[in-house]
Amino acid sequence: ETVMTQSPATLSVSPGERATLSCRADQSVSNNLAWYQQKPGQPPRLLIYGASTRATGIPARFSGSGSGTEFTLTISSLQSEDFAVYYCQQYNNWPPWTFGQGTKVEIK
Amino acid sequence: QVQLVQSGAEVKKPGSSVKVSCKASGGTFSTFPISWVRQAPGQGLEWMGGIIPIFGPANYAQKFQGRVTITADESTSTAYMELNTLRSEDTAVYYCARAAAAGTNPFDYWGQGTLVIVSS
Repeated sequence: ETVMTQSPATLSVSPGERATLSCRADQSVSNNLAWYQQKPGQPPRLLIYGASTRATGIPARFSGSGSGTEFTLTISSLQSEDFAVYYCQQYNNWPPWTFGQGTKVEIK
Repeated sequence: QVQLVQSGAEVKKPGSSVKVSCKASGGTFSTFPISWVRQAPGQGLEWMGGIIPIFGPANYAQKFQGRVTITADESTSTAYMELNTLRSEDTAVYYCARAAAAGTNPFDYWGQGTLVIVSS
């Protein structure tokens, strides 16, 4: 199976600052990479798919980049509602679909 | 608008089974893959298996092979996940999630989650 590794585990950021999250696959997943946001007590929400395409209704401050094995999610100016856990997921080499272990974005 | 509504929380004894349902509305049910993803307390997301209702047999993660059964009832637009021989480590929130289409696609809609507690 394709192993996804996210870094850092926790990112402390002040509101208004930029956050950069990383995701690495142990084999190529082409651009079949999604990012999800999860808040406490809620299911994950699709943010980005195809490595860089925002899902419906996702603000432009969220952007994704990368292909192959290295990917980045950038939140350009953190808003209070963006503090959450973010997961990457590959959907290229399935089954199984695999997720990273998550990055928690917390208030600095 | 697509909605996935799951059954309520369960408390089970070790060694027993649990069956969680996921009823879809607002879209075509039969041709969209439904997966089950679980999340242990404070942990990440783990794909368990999935099914395309119109095609039938499910795919399962190797870890759960032989212990999980995923089915779908097209007449009621409901998917089911049954997990057998429960142990304490199966305590988790179980989510159903729909892929955007069959094939290579992310999960665009999620159920609200069902908490399953396994405790003696």
